[in-house]
Order: sequence, then C-alpha cells, then structure tokens
Amino acid sequence: GESVGLHLPTLSVQEGDNSIINCAYSNSASDYFIWYKQESGKGPQFIIDIRSNMDKRQGQRVTVLLNKTVKHLSLQIAATQPGDSAVYFCAETWNYGGSQGNLIFGKGTKLSVKP
Amino acid sequence: GAVVSQHPSRVICKSGTSVKIECRSLDFQATTMFWYRQFPKQSLMLMATSNEGSKATYEQGVEKDKFLINHASLTLSTLTVTSAHPEDSSFYICSARVRGTGPYFGPGTRLTVT
Repeated sequence: GESVGLHLPTLSVQEGDNSIINCAYSNSASDYFIWYKQESGKGPQFIIDIRSNMDKRQGQRVTVLLNKTVKHLSLQIAATQPGDSAVYFCAETWNYGGSQGNLIFGKGTKLSVKP
Repeated sequence: GAVVSQHPSRVICKSGTSVKIECRSLDFQATTMFWYRQFPKQSLMLMATSNEGSKATYEQGVEKDKFLINHASLTLSTLTVTSAHPEDSSFYICSARVRGTGPYFGPGTRLTVT
C-alpha cells in the first residue's frame, strides 16, 4: 500500500549546525503535509505544515520543502539546539479542504544534537 | 491556541479491569478526534476516528468492543480499554483537527497493565 517513509532513521548533528530531515511519500493524491516533533514520553508536537500548492514554507528556525515531482518532503532546522533533540515524523493526508483522509505517518527520524 | 489535553497522563491497572482515558480540546471545538496507539520506538498507529454524536470508525484489526470510544461533546472524547491485558500496555494519544490546519495531538497517556 501507499505509505510515507523516511530515508534516515537517525541523525546526529553538532549544536549550531543546520539539520535536514528527509521524507518520501508515495501517495500522489496527498495535498497536505505536516512535520511533528515528539520528545520522549510526550505526544507529537505540530511544527509546520505545507499544502501541495506550495514548494516552501518557513517558520521560526524551520523550513519545510516540498518537491512534488519526486514526492519528497524535507524539514530544515537552522542552528540546531540541544532542545531540538527528538524524533521527527512527517505525515501526509489528502483532500484537506474537503473530507480529509486519514493522517499517514512516516517511521520517524531520531535527531540527536551534540553539544 | 489548538491545545489538546489528555487525562490521566499515566495509569497502572490490573489485568481484567477497565480504564478510561479522556481527550479534551481546550480552546476549540473538535467535531472529529482521533485515537492512536504507539509502541516504543515505533510510529503512531491510528486506532479509530471519533465523530461527535455518532459511532466511532475503527481501523482494521482494532476491536471496537475492547476499545470503546465515546465522543460526547465537541470538546471531549473518551477511550475505554475494557478487560485490559498486559499486551494492551502502550502509549495512547489522541488528536483533534482544527478547520484549516492540524491535527494537533494531546500529550499522551501511558497505560501499564499488570
């Protein structure tokens, strides 16, 4: 079946560096994507979203890029901090403006920030 | 805005008993809430979709008689794990959709069945 997957299960970066977390999706009908951050023992925290009519969206220290041609999604974190250490999930859904499909989660990437 | 709470955050119960978990949308009305289950180091697995005023829609493989869901109001959905067994021990998370964005997740409930 169609699913959302991640290229890298773990990512270790130095504090202050930029982090890039990648995600591949296979459902061409998906039109809404979300990145979540999950710290140990907590629920997923909404970070940033993007609709399929956009290629890029920026938030505070985070940027999401969407490449519909190759069905690829990435999350960029600028000046990574120890507090960014967590598992990051991408998620996709479709028909967001109408009767939204279920949210499909990727497997997750664990980001470890070294001081 | 868009805050979702869950209660309790942790619960330990004996095998055979039932446990109720509450999910509340604190600053918005949620016509639809979702219940997920998450095992250690794994992604979230959707269990059911809870619609206010109607029966929940369960995912394939999820026993509706074991995981009772009630969406009594636009701000409250409950999940009751009936006749709990140790294999039901898991992290249960709810989420709610806000028009135009989200969904947003609650902090989760750690259930341990002894």
